[in-house]
Amino acid sequence: GENVEQHPSTLSVQEGDSAVIKCTYSDSASNYFPWYKQELGKRPQLIIDIRSNVGEKKDQRIAVTLNKTAKHFSLHITETQPEDSAVYFCAATFTSGTYKYIFGTGTRLKVLA
Amino acid sequence: EPEVTQTPSHQVTQMGQEVILRCVPISNHLYFYWYRQILGQKVEFLVSFYNNEISEKSEIFDDQFSVERPDGSNFTLKIRSTKLEDSAMYFCASRDGTATEAFFGQGTRLTVV
Repeated sequence: GENVEQHPSTLSVQEGDSAVIKCTYSDSASNYFPWYKQELGKRPQLIIDIRSNVGEKKDQRIAVTLNKTAKHFSLHITETQPEDSAVYFCAATFTSGTYKYIFGTGTRLKVLA
Repeated sequence: EPEVTQTPSHQVTQMGQEVILRCVPISNHLYFYWYRQILGQKVEFLVSFYNNEISEKSEIFDDQFSVERPDGSNFTLKIRSTKLEDSAMYFCASRDGTATEAFFGQGTRLTVV
C-alpha cells in the first residue's frame, strides 16, 4: 500500500550538533520528496525538496539525500539552533491519482541550548 | 508571493451540524487537495480534485464529506453531520504540476462539541 515511514519520532540534540531524520517510501515511481517544518498550531512549511532525478540537494544548513534503489531519503540539519526545534514531516508524491502527498508520521526535534 | 488562503481560521460546531470550510487556491494551480491533521498526529490525505472533479479520495473521505469548486476560485470542503472525531486541523493545498511543491493554506481548526 501507499506508505511513508519516518524515524525517529523524537530527536533531541545539543545546539550546534547535527540532526538526521530518515524516511522510506513504498511507491518506486514516486518522483518528488518534500520536507516540511511545522511549528505548533501552524501550517507545514516547505524547507527543502528533492526530485527523483538527483541524489542530493543542499540549502545552507539543510540537506536532503535520496536513494531511489533503497527507496529512502533523509534530512540532514547541521549546526542546529534552538529555532530549529519543531516537528518535521517528510512526504512522498504517490503516482496514483493526482500525485497526492503521503506524509510520514513526523519527528519532533528538540535542540537543547 | 501568492498564497493559499483558508477561512475561517477556527470553527466550533455542535455535533450533527454541517460545516463548510473554504479555500482560495493559488490562481494558476491545477491540482487541489484537502488534508486533515488530528492534534499531535500526522497530516492525512483526504481528497484530490483536478479538472473540476474528484480524482482520488482516501478511506477517511466517506459520504459525510464533499468538495466543490463552485466559481473557479473557491474550493470548499463540506462535512455533513459532524462527529466529535472530525475535530482536527484541515489544510487545503494546491499545486501547478505533479512533481512540484504543494502550497498549504494556514488551516482551519475545526472543533466539534
